Amino acid sequence: GQQVMQIPQYQHVQEGEDFTTYCNSSTTLSNIQWYKQRPGGHPVFLIQLVKSGEVKKQKRLTFQFGEAKKNSSLHITATQTTDVGTYFCAAHGSSNTGKLIFGQGTTLQVKP
Amino acid sequence: GAVVSQHPSRVICKSGTSVKIECRSLDFQATTMFWYRQFPKKSLMLMATSNEGSKATYEQGVEKDKFLINHASLTLSTLTVTSAHPEDSSFYICSAREAGRRYSEQYFGPGTRLTVT
Repeated sequence: GQQVMQIPQYQHVQEGEDFTTYCNSSTTLSNIQWYKQRPGGHPVFLIQLVKSGEVKKQKRLTFQFGEAKKNSSLHITATQTTDVGTYFCAAHGSSNTGKLIFGQGTTLQVKP
Repeated sequence: GAVVSQHPSRVICKSGTSVKIECRSLDFQATTMFWYRQFPKKSLMLMATSNEGSKATYEQGVEKDKFLINHASLTLSTLTVTSAHPEDSSFYICSAREAGRRYSEQYFGPGTRLTVT
C-alpha cells in the first residue's frame, strides 16, 4: 500500500540550533499535511501544502512541498524547548476516502 | 478551532471483557471519523474509517469482529474492543474531519489509554 517515509526518527538538538525533518513518497501526492504531537498529547494540525514547490512559513517553522509533489520538509529555525514533540507528515491515501497515511514521525528533543 | 472529545481517557479492564470508547465532535458535524492505534514512540496506525449511517471500512489486518465501530450520528462514533486481551493494550485515538471537506485537516481527540490485565 501507499507509504510515506519520514526521517530522521529522532533528533536531539541544543536550544537555538535548527532542525529539519523530511518526508518522502514513491507516488505523487495530492497534498501533504503536518501535525505535531506533544509528549502525552494528541496530534495537532499544523499546515497543509497543496501546490508543487509550495513554501509556507509559520513564525520559525518553514514547510516545503517538492516540485514533483513526492517529498516535503519541515524546518525549525532556532529551536526552543517548546518545540519538543513528535512531528508527523501525513498524506491522503489513494482510495479517495479522505483517510491519512502518516509518516513514522520525527521526535525532537531540545536541550536547554 | 474544531474540538473532538474522547471518553474515557483511561480505562483498565480484565482480559475477556469489552470496552467502549466514544469519540465526539463538539462543534462541527463529522460524516467521517477515523480510529487510530498508537504504540509507545510509534506512529499512528489507521484502524478503520467510520462513516455515519453506514458500515465502517477496516484497514487490512484489523479484525472487524474484534473492533466494532458504530457511527450513529454526525457527532458520535464509538469503538468497542470486544473480548479484550493484553495485546490490545494501547493508545487509541480518534479523529474527525468536517462534513463535506474530504481533504481537509483532521481534528484529533485526546486519546484513550487502554490497559488490559
